[in-house]
Amino acid sequence: AQSVTQLDSQVPVFEEAPVELRCNYSSSVSVYLFWYVQYPNQGLQLLLKYLSGSTLVKGINGFEAEFNKSQTSFHLRKPSVHISDTAEYFCAVKAGGTSYGKLTFGQGTILTVHP
Amino acid sequence: DTGVSQDPRHKITKRGQNVTFRCDPISEHNRLYWYRQTLGQGPEFLTYFQNEAQLEKSRLLSDRFSAERPKGSFSTLEIQRTEQGDSAMYLCASSPPSKQGSNTDTQYFGPGTRLTVL
Repeated sequence: AQSVTQLDSQVPVFEEAPVELRCNYSSSVSVYLFWYVQYPNQGLQLLLKYLSGSTLVKGINGFEAEFNKSQTSFHLRKPSVHISDTAEYFCAVKAGGTSYGKLTFGQGTILTVHP
Repeated sequence: DTGVSQDPRHKITKRGQNVTFRCDPISEHNRLYWYRQTLGQGPEFLTYFQNEAQLEKSRLLSDRFSAERPKGSFSTLEIQRTEQGDSAMYLCASSPPSKQGSNTDTQYFGPGTRLTVL
């Protein structure tokens, strides 16, 4: 079984500042890792994913994340945020090795970007 | 690619009533997932279909819940004798078959159906 812990429930930040949203996971098997974004009253949109290979993955809207196996972390970063990045962000994990399988999500981090 | 659609978007019902939600996955996606999201929490897995076969069910899916995907295309999720604790957002996601390339690991989510049980 897998579990995900998002270390911050809310992150306030000013526009154009950098931001890091932290995610730690636990699993007894290899994993695939995902970050999704959810805008109010909408479904989830994939930002980026790590399956294998380079531990630094780049996604949409200027976001990137780094997989750290030794620390079992997959933190999301953006060097300069915009007001439009205000949303809730979810880290998710699923067992690796197969393309199908349920996602296990963290509790979410609400990012609020202030002008 | 019109995306995953769900109907209705909102449902208000009284305790004890039955409700049914529909999910239409992206065309040719043979895998379909249902999740439930309560306020302030991340989505929790409910059930998974590959084509018409229901291959995995969560313990969260009590005997009041039933899901079907009769022709391997759209899916329905029914809740019988609703309880106030069933109030949540019900999300559907789909993903393509293995042979369709590198995005087979990605689940594409619909907008959800928000259920309120009074």
